[in-house]
Amino acid sequence: DAGVTQSPTHLIKTRGQQVTLRCSPKSGHDTVSWYQQALGQGPQFIFQYYEEEERQRGNFPDRFSGHQFPNYSSELNVNALLLGDSALYLCASSFPSGANVLTFGAGSRLTVL
Amino acid sequence: AQRVTQPEKLLSVFKGAPVELKCNYSYSGSPELFWYVQYSRQRLQLLLRHISRESIKGFTADLNKGETSFHLKKPFAQEEDSAMYYCALSETGGGNKLTFGTGTQLKVEL
Repeated sequence: DAGVTQSPTHLIKTRGQQVTLRCSPKSGHDTVSWYQQALGQGPQFIFQYYEEEERQRGNFPDRFSGHQFPNYSSELNVNALLLGDSALYLCASSFPSGANVLTFGAGSRLTVL
Repeated sequence: AQRVTQPEKLLSVFKGAPVELKCNYSYSGSPELFWYVQYSRQRLQLLLRHISRESIKGFTADLNKGETSFHLKKPFAQEEDSAMYYCALSETGGGNKLTFGTGTQLKVEL
């Protein structure tokens, strides 16, 4: 089991552009959460998807959107990129009632210039 | 809103010395607390949860609701304990949404 896989590993964008990050959950998991981790900070919850719907959302603007596919994989989209969006984006998967035990991916490092 | 505070960015101890990583939280309900760890060049992973009341790799953590703390302790530090440690909180019925602290880098010196 490869665990949670994320792509791309690194990417560089310029202000105003749009980016899509992808995540495949651990085998057997059907819930996907996205976190943003800025340098020197802890992960911050963006949103969570279950049964192809956004179930919870953190304090992030509408520029951040997502999707979950029937195979449980997920995408995170960020529009109109700002310099402050530069961060490590972590995907975590779990069971829906998995007692908050998350399995994290290695992350996608986004740099906005 | 809930908050998790880890007051130390860096904690340096000698091998064999006791370790205590501090974590305080603010939440009006009954939280679930976790410690996650990230070893060098590895992914963030669960170390322990307060409801399990288990010891993982010699680490323990007790939830003190009176002091709103969930400090991580180990009696004798090992070199392999060097890592980044994050305390995290989930609200009652939080559905896997975690609030993380800023993390403490533990360095165990020989």
